[in-house]
Amino acid sequence: DAGVIQSPRHEVTEMGQEVTLRCKPISGHNSLFWYRQTMMRGLELLIYFNNNVPIDDSGMPEDRFSAKMPNASFSTLKIQPSEPRDSAVYFCASSSLGRGYTFGSGTRLTVV
Amino acid sequence: RKEVEQDPGPFNVPEGATVAFNCTYSNSASQSFFWYRQDCRKEPKLLMSVYSSGNEDGRFTAQLNRASQYISLLIRDSKLSDSATYLCVVNARIGQNFVFGPGTRLSVLP
Repeated sequence: DAGVIQSPRHEVTEMGQEVTLRCKPISGHNSLFWYRQTMMRGLELLIYFNNNVPIDDSGMPEDRFSAKMPNASFSTLKIQPSEPRDSAVYFCASSSLGRGYTFGSGTRLTVV
Repeated sequence: RKEVEQDPGPFNVPEGATVAFNCTYSNSASQSFFWYRQDCRKEPKLLMSVYSSGNEDGRFTAQLNRASQYISLLIRDSKLSDSATYLCVVNARIGQNFVFGPGTRLSVLP
């Protein structure tokens, strides 16, 4: 089992640029979660999907953030335009109903 | 009040010590409970689930007290490799997202 795969591992971009983060969940998992982690705020849930349908996006900070899950094996988190305060580690996680999450290795985003 | 609260630490303990972490949660309807471990600059990883009857995995023991709405994690004979942040996780209902506590940092010293 390859686990949850995220790309890229690191991203450095200039303010105002579009950033797209990618995630491939574990095959057979029906829930997918996007988290953001910073020293100040810890792990924050941005959005999660059940069976490819967005269930709760109340954690998405602003309209600059959007997430899609076109099929069971792929999801994207897009930030447009990016700002320095978006700098954080973004984790994707997947799970089957009622079981613990498996996290990807994360994308470390730096916006300069 | 936050949904899940933990003492942030850090807990600095010598090798071989026994250390306990507590976590409180506010939603009395919560159904699933977990402890995760996160190493520096790594992703969180599931350490163990927490069952109503309590459960043990080697040097680790987890307890759940529904009446008082807290979860505990006990680490016996701590090792240097136990140094990490321990995250308490609560799930209100199957199909809903998990809520992560802020984590408790543990440093095991030689």
